[in-house]
Amino acid sequence: DAKTTQPPSMDCAEGRAANLPCNHSTISGNEYVYWYRQIHSQGPQYIIHGLKNNETNEMASLIITEDRKSSTLILPHATLRDTAVYYCIVRVRFSGNTGKLIFGQGTTLQVKP
Amino acid sequence: GAVVSQHPSRVICKSGTSVKIECRSLDFQATTMFWYRQFPKQSLMLMATSNEGSKATYEQGVEKDKFLINHASLTLSTLTVTSAHPEDSSFYICSAGAGTMNTGELFFGEGSRLTVL
Repeated sequence: DAKTTQPPSMDCAEGRAANLPCNHSTISGNEYVYWYRQIHSQGPQYIIHGLKNNETNEMASLIITEDRKSSTLILPHATLRDTAVYYCIVRVRFSGNTGKLIFGQGTTLQVKP
Repeated sequence: GAVVSQHPSRVICKSGTSVKIECRSLDFQATTMFWYRQFPKQSLMLMATSNEGSKATYEQGVEKDKFLINHASLTLSTLTVTSAHPEDSSFYICSAGAGTMNTGELFFGEGSRLTVL
């Protein structure tokens, strides 16, 4: 699986959009970009994933560059409960099967009042 | 999303004893389950991959005789830490692949914190 690079930490003001970048310059054509987050002492929570098109769900938006070498996770209106470590992971997505997730160091997002 | 449950959430044991941690997929059949370990202030480290009805595949450096994994059914995988020692104290997390859902996400349990005295 391709490796990803994320800033170790970021701050965001409550109510503002949080934009978390991720570089994955060696991503291959069949690898998806996944985002998970981990709130202290809990298991990781799935946020969103995408291949090449931008994606949006009730939690966040995922913007993938045209060359797919980087992406940005957007939390449109960050709240204090969004304080967590955010992991960007690339992996092959199998139809009817699942490939393993390899976690990097992630970005610690601190949402401040 | 799909629900994955771990039990126990916390366990304290004496050095030399064995501890079993269960991971259950509550509302889907998990053909594949993964076990991770996380030390304080570190990221998750994949330990092994288990497929229902077959032997687990361990990552490099993980002792298979130390960490026994059994995936006897499509909804249950167990991790047994044998002859636990203080250095095995960690946060153990499982995840399950909902293969039948064909969506590709992995869902994680709440984690089990093991403290070996």
